[in-house]
Amino acid sequence: DTEVTQTPKHLVMGMTNKKSLKCEQHMGHRAMYWYKQKAKKPPELMFVYSYEKLSINESVPSRFSPECPNSSLLNLHLHALQPEDSALYLCASSQPNTEYSNQPQHFGDGTRLSIL
Amino acid sequence: EDKVVQSPLSLVVHEGDTVTLNCSYEVTNFRSLLWYKQEKKAPTFLFMLTSSGIEKKSGRLSSILDKKELFSILNITATQTGDSAIYLCAVEGGGADGLTFGKGTHLIIQP
Repeated sequence: DTEVTQTPKHLVMGMTNKKSLKCEQHMGHRAMYWYKQKAKKPPELMFVYSYEKLSINESVPSRFSPECPNSSLLNLHLHALQPEDSALYLCASSQPNTEYSNQPQHFGDGTRLSIL
Repeated sequence: EDKVVQSPLSLVVHEGDTVTLNCSYEVTNFRSLLWYKQEKKAPTFLFMLTSSGIEKKSGRLSSILDKKELFSILNITATQTGDSAIYLCAVEGGGADGLTFGKGTHLIIQP
């Protein structure tokens, strides 16, 4: 188990459903990330929050909507997904990088999402 | 666009062998290079490298960065079956906090 907790571990949903993925960390990290990982591929960055503000959105479709309610929580709201969105969705956290310090990202176990 | 190339993409060795995994990169405003181990679930952090020529070690694993030639290696000595995994190399740069990953090396250790 990692220090970054993601729920649910598995999710099966239809294309018309609305669901949310949740991520929680209690390491005091102020940067949180969503990545998408397709089978046999590396993780691809989707969103970055730094100090609860969205700082990077890697041209992700609007059917994915991130939310950072506080410094410990990160959500990913899903609506009208397509079958090609089936993947492992990974959350990570770290301290934000500064001019003087780089910090590694720590990953959760992910939510395995299947779109019917 | 940042680019990370890992080699080999897959590797099968016997228990006890030593392996060297390679990672080359192109990145704007390099900040750091990271190695992760991924089995079934979360990528697990191994090393973060920011300076050239300084070896980082953790047990049987070690890694070093060459910022002039833009590459890093990950060495695993006396391999064990538990080392079987996908080893991911990632870089961070360009003023952003996100990671760009290579395709990974799928390492299989046979008993």
